[in-house]
Amino acid sequence: AQSVTQLDSQVPVFEEAPVELRCNYSSSVSVYLFWYVQYPNQGLQLLLKYLSGSTLVESINGFEAEFNKSQTSFHLRKPSVHISDTAEYFCAVRTTGFQKLVFGTGTRLLVSP
Amino acid sequence: EAQVTQNPRYLITVTGKKLTVTCSQNMNHEYMSWYRQDPGLGLRQIYYSMNVEVTDKGDVPEGYKVSRKEKRNFPLILESPSPNQTSLYFCASTPLGGDGYEQYFGPGTRLTVT
Repeated sequence: AQSVTQLDSQVPVFEEAPVELRCNYSSSVSVYLFWYVQYPNQGLQLLLKYLSGSTLVESINGFEAEFNKSQTSFHLRKPSVHISDTAEYFCAVRTTGFQKLVFGTGTRLLVSP
Repeated sequence: EAQVTQNPRYLITVTGKKLTVTCSQNMNHEYMSWYRQDPGLGLRQIYYSMNVEVTDKGDVPEGYKVSRKEKRNFPLILESPSPNQTSLYFCASTPLGGDGYEQYFGPGTRLTVT
């Protein structure tokens, strides 16, 4: 069975500082990896995804994540955060050929001025 | 606009009073799913459906029912709600037939059972 671990439940950071949100997964088969973002009082939006090919994937708003197969990780990074990045971030994994998403417990990113 | 809609967005009810949360998508997706979100637990799948009249249990199905009579609709039914079903519920959909498709989520339904 798959599982996703997000060790940090909350990450406080100052505006314009870099941030890394950690995600580790366990699976014995090939997977697809996703980061979803949930802004306050909203639903989930896809931030970025890894399917195959280049292990570094980027979003349109400056986030990036790197798939590391040997460490079974898919950490999310941003070199300089904004107040508007304050949200909860969920890492999720899906086995190739199946639609079920398995989510981590989420990391709340709190950006302060 | 491609979207997943849920109704109601907020609901406060009492223990044992049957309720239905509706979910509808306009993207002709085959796969639909219900999740509940609880603090510290992330999102957990309740039920899913691969197509019309094809449904199956997810990880936390106890106390819930679903139906899929039409492709676009996937209602979640709580026949006798209890306080431990107080949660934030999300419906999601995605097409079958290809890998890599993202799941599209509805705006969520916040349910309180007293």
